[in-house]
Amino acid sequence: DAKTTQPPSMDCAEGRAANLPCNHSTISGNEYVYWYRQIHSQGPQYIIHGLKNNETNEMASLIITEDRKSSTLILPHATLRDTAVYYCIVRVAMSNYQLIWGAGTKLIIKP
Amino acid sequence: DAGVTQSPTHLIKTRGQQVTLRCSPKSGHDTVSWYQQALGQGPQFIFQYYEEEERQRGNFPDRFSGHQFPNYSSELNVNALLLGDSALYLCASSLPGLAGGPPNTDTQYFGPGTRLTVL
Repeated sequence: DAKTTQPPSMDCAEGRAANLPCNHSTISGNEYVYWYRQIHSQGPQYIIHGLKNNETNEMASLIITEDRKSSTLILPHATLRDTAVYYCIVRVAMSNYQLIWGAGTKLIIKP
Repeated sequence: DAGVTQSPTHLIKTRGQQVTLRCSPKSGHDTVSWYQQALGQGPQFIFQYYEEEERQRGNFPDRFSGHQFPNYSSELNVNALLLGDSALYLCASSLPGLAGGPPNTDTQYFGPGTRLTVL
């Protein structure tokens, strides 16, 4: 079973920041938080991952709480092309090889 | 830089038939994972191949088998197809994430998938 909890759906206005929450209250000390997104009927796209420090790349920022029990993916300036299902996954990097997926959050960007 | 490629894009089979799906990993990657995604659900891990060996397997029957070639490409074979095998089959490539190797390097990158319909 997935070890994360996400809201089933969210809306965001185009041009605004989209903040997607994820709860992972049972996360272990060596588990990373990964984010992927899947645009309709396409393969999942890797976005970002982190262990305990906040991370930023060209796509998004990942904010992990100090106790590591939750995190937020931030898309700073959402566009219509960011409409997708966003998945938050926790796993031990360099060890357990499989990704265990939950239901994700359907993010709809509105014009 | 070529990403992960999969073929075919779409496939229609009938119950009881056999199917082979193909995957070429991203340049520089030598590890391939396969996932099955039923409509409206998240992907489910089938297995992972590294050095031409099955390295880890999910909860799938023996009808699902795979192979990895010396050039790191991979095939997924499904025998005795059932209606419930209809799904999007996803291939992901990565570095192997070996103990003692470069840390935090085994992120999986996915291909576009093969849509299998079993009638």
